Amino acid sequence: SAVISQKPSRDICQRGTSLTIQCQVDSQVTMMFWYRQQPGQSLTLIATANQGSEATYESGFVIDKFPISRPNLTFSTLTVSNMSPEDSSIYLCSVEEGFGDGYTFGSGTRLTVV
Amino acid sequence: GENVEQHPSTLSVQEGDSAVIKCTYSDSASNYFPWYKQELGKRPQLIIDIRSNVGEKKDQRIAVTLNKTAKHFSLHITETQPEDSAVYFCAASTSGSWGKLQFGAGTQVVVTP
Repeated sequence: SAVISQKPSRDICQRGTSLTIQCQVDSQVTMMFWYRQQPGQSLTLIATANQGSEATYESGFVIDKFPISRPNLTFSTLTVSNMSPEDSSIYLCSVEEGFGDGYTFGSGTRLTVV
Repeated sequence: GENVEQHPSTLSVQEGDSAVIKCTYSDSASNYFPWYKQELGKRPQLIIDIRSNVGEKKDQRIAVTLNKTAKHFSLHITETQPEDSAVYFCAASTSGSWGKLQFGAGTQVVVTP
């Protein structure tokens, strides 16, 4: 299965600042997905990132708050902008292994906003 | 859009007993149903999945069943062990390729020795 390196693993940030999370995959993938997992909760899809085009955001998530880059088929970044304590969550990237082979998750970024 | 409901939210079982977690989905177009196990502080790990053209799938102590008519699917864990303790999430997708996963709320499973 694909190996995903996600950085940073955790961070404590001041409110009003921004944090960029990186995901590097060891193989080329068409789509990368970004999820948020609030403490003790399930996973919620933020956006889908396709190489060479603008990300597609889910309801409740906007590009100005969560800009995403997808410069090539193995890398993507998610930025959490103008952070507030409500943004404290785990953020995970995910890729599909290949048609029918399931989805793999990165190790996650635990973000605390103070 | 798709809505996935998962029950129960917590499940305590004695080691060696079976555990069953049930999920229902709303979108009849959903055709891919994975189950993930998430241990504390770790990433979700795919443990088994099923597609809409299959009614049941087994992998050692784990099995998943799908009832398309009723739009529900279940995870069965037999001969539970303490290492099965984790949060389990079901999910549904309307496409097996590049489809978005809609997750259930999760089930905290505790296996007591």
